[in-house]
Amino acid sequence: AQSVTQLGSHVSVSEGALVLLRCNYSSSVPPYLFWYVQYPNQGLQLLLKYTTGATLVKGINGFEAEFKKSETSFHLTKPSAHMSDAAEYFCAVTGKLIFGQGTTLQVKP
Amino acid sequence: SAVISQKPSRDICQRGTSLTIQCQVDSQVTMMFWYRQQPGQSLTLIATANQGSEATYESGFVIDKFPISRPNLTFSTLTVSNMSPEDSSIYLCSARRQGGGQGEAFFGQGTRLTVV
Repeated sequence: AQSVTQLGSHVSVSEGALVLLRCNYSSSVPPYLFWYVQYPNQGLQLLLKYTTGATLVKGINGFEAEFKKSETSFHLTKPSAHMSDAAEYFCAVTGKLIFGQGTTLQVKP
Repeated sequence: SAVISQKPSRDICQRGTSLTIQCQVDSQVTMMFWYRQQPGQSLTLIATANQGSEATYESGFVIDKFPISRPNLTFSTLTVSNMSPEDSSIYLCSARRQGGGQGEAFFGQGTRLTVV
């Protein structure tokens, strides 16, 4: 079975600061990993994904994530937060997309 | 990309009644899924909608409560039957073009259901 754990249900950063959203997974097979963003009252949008190959994955809006098999992690980062990044972020694993609990990112001016 | 349209976008229903949610994709897709997102929570997979055969349900979800149809490669419906206030939630349709789990999944805007 596959599962995802997102550490921190709520993360608050200042505008311009580093964003780090944590995701750990459990999978009995090589995982496919995804990060999605959900803005208020909207559907989900794919930020980035890891399937095979390069472990550092770059996505939209300046986000990137690194797959670390030894740590079973897929943390999402962005060097400099923008006010427009405030949203709910979900990590997901495998083909059926098992989602983590979500992390609300707040960006303070 | 794929554009997914869900109807209705929201509804308020009486307990004991049923609501059918429609999901239309603008192009053929291999896989379609239905999720539930309860207020302030994450997404929980209800079932995989299989074209031409019965849906595959996740643990805790049954066909009698959530019957699903998928008559072709672009359309699916989810019915929430005999509703109770606990069914109040956002229901999301998702689609993926390719199998194997690697491809991007696209999501509809969701149907916000309130049961009174």
